[in-house]
Amino acid sequence: GDSVTQMEGPVTLSEEAFLTINCTYTATGYPSLFWYVQYPGEGLQLLLKATKADDKGSNKGFEATYRKETTSFHLEKGSVQVSDSAVYFCALVSQGGSEKLVFGKGTKLTVNP
Amino acid sequence: ETGVTQSPTHLIKTRGQQVTLRCSSQSGHNTVSWYQQALGQGPQFIFQYYREEENGRGNFPPRFSGLQFPNYSSELNVNALELDDSALYLCASSFDRLNSPLHFGNGTRLTVT
Repeated sequence: GDSVTQMEGPVTLSEEAFLTINCTYTATGYPSLFWYVQYPGEGLQLLLKATKADDKGSNKGFEATYRKETTSFHLEKGSVQVSDSAVYFCALVSQGGSEKLVFGKGTKLTVNP
Repeated sequence: ETGVTQSPTHLIKTRGQQVTLRCSSQSGHNTVSWYQQALGQGPQFIFQYYREEENGRGNFPPRFSGLQFPNYSSELNVNALELDDSALYLCASSFDRLNSPLHFGNGTRLTVT
């Protein structure tokens, strides 16, 4: 079945550091890919998405590019802030049928001042 | 517009009991999905309802059941609770069942003792 693999956390960075969180996927066909963010005590919020190969999703300084050849969708940000501390989930939606999201296990990011 | 609201926020039940969790969809949304998020894991798809009909189900036993009402609010029922059912239960609504972004509630934290 479809699956998503994220880099293990936790990740701890200093403010203004560069962030990369790796994500790879296994799926039949061409799924849509997502990054969700979960702040403490809250539900998930969509951060960005890409629906086809070579698409780049971006939001709030975060970017991720849909790479079909490497089945990857790595999340990057050039300069993190303390307010970016959260858990980040990579996810995909299989084509066809119900819009069932398949999530990775999540990567906890802590940014220190 | 009001977002997705879930109740209760926290709940403690004893093994073998039954529980009902509630979700009020975002205004204008006709589709609701339920996810189970165990501690330290990514959310797992339980099922989706579209216009009061089940529209897809994940790998969960029949003791997990749901309802969607004419106003598109929803319930998740779990019978014969087990310790492993302890998790954060997330409800997400969307404008339609395909190609519409999911809007998540903050979840219900269920503890089974």
